[in-house]
Amino acid sequence: GDSVTQMEGPVTLSEEACLTINCTYTATGYPSLFWYVQYPGEGLQLLLKATKADDKGSNKGFEATYRKETTSFHLEKGSVQVSDSAVYFCALSGPDYKLSFGAGTTVTVRA
Amino acid sequence: EAQVTQNPRYLITVTGKKLTVTCSQNMNHEYMSWYRQDPGLGLRQIYYSMNVEVTDKGDVPEGYKVSRKEKRNFPLILESPSPNQTSLYFCASRPAGGNYNEQFFGPGTRLTVL
Repeated sequence: GDSVTQMEGPVTLSEEACLTINCTYTATGYPSLFWYVQYPGEGLQLLLKATKADDKGSNKGFEATYRKETTSFHLEKGSVQVSDSAVYFCALSGPDYKLSFGAGTTVTVRA
Repeated sequence: EAQVTQNPRYLITVTGKKLTVTCSQNMNHEYMSWYRQDPGLGLRQIYYSMNVEVTDKGDVPEGYKVSRKEKRNFPLILESPSPNQTSLYFCASRPAGGNYNEQFFGPGTRLTVL
């Protein structure tokens, strides 16, 4: 079945540092890929998405590129802020609408 | 405001005492789903519904029931809760059509079963 493996955390960074969270997937067919973010005490929000190979999703300074050849969708941000502290989830969606999530990566950004 | 609401947000209960967590969406979405979130496991799907009166099991359905009598509501029922159902629960909804549509999540319900 479909599965997502993402980099384990926790990750602690200083403000303005670069962030990369690795995500790889296993799926049949051509899934859509998502990054969701969960801020402390809140539900999940869609951060960005990509629906086909070589698509780049971007939002709030974050980017991720759908790489079919390496089955990856790594999340990157060039300069993080304290407000980026959250749990980040990589996920894929197949034709049955079900979202398969990675385990989540907790990111803490210190001033 | 388009949203998914859940109630209660926090619940502490005891083993065996039936409970219901409500979920409601105001976006006229066909698809609704329940997930549980556990440390190190991410979110796992419990049940989902493609439309009114259509429900199906997800990956971890044991110990849970759902119903979909109206399009907007999708309650999660624990007939006899056990401590291993202590978790953070999320309801989600999305429109039908295309696997690229995002799912909209509720704020979560933190359940503790003693």
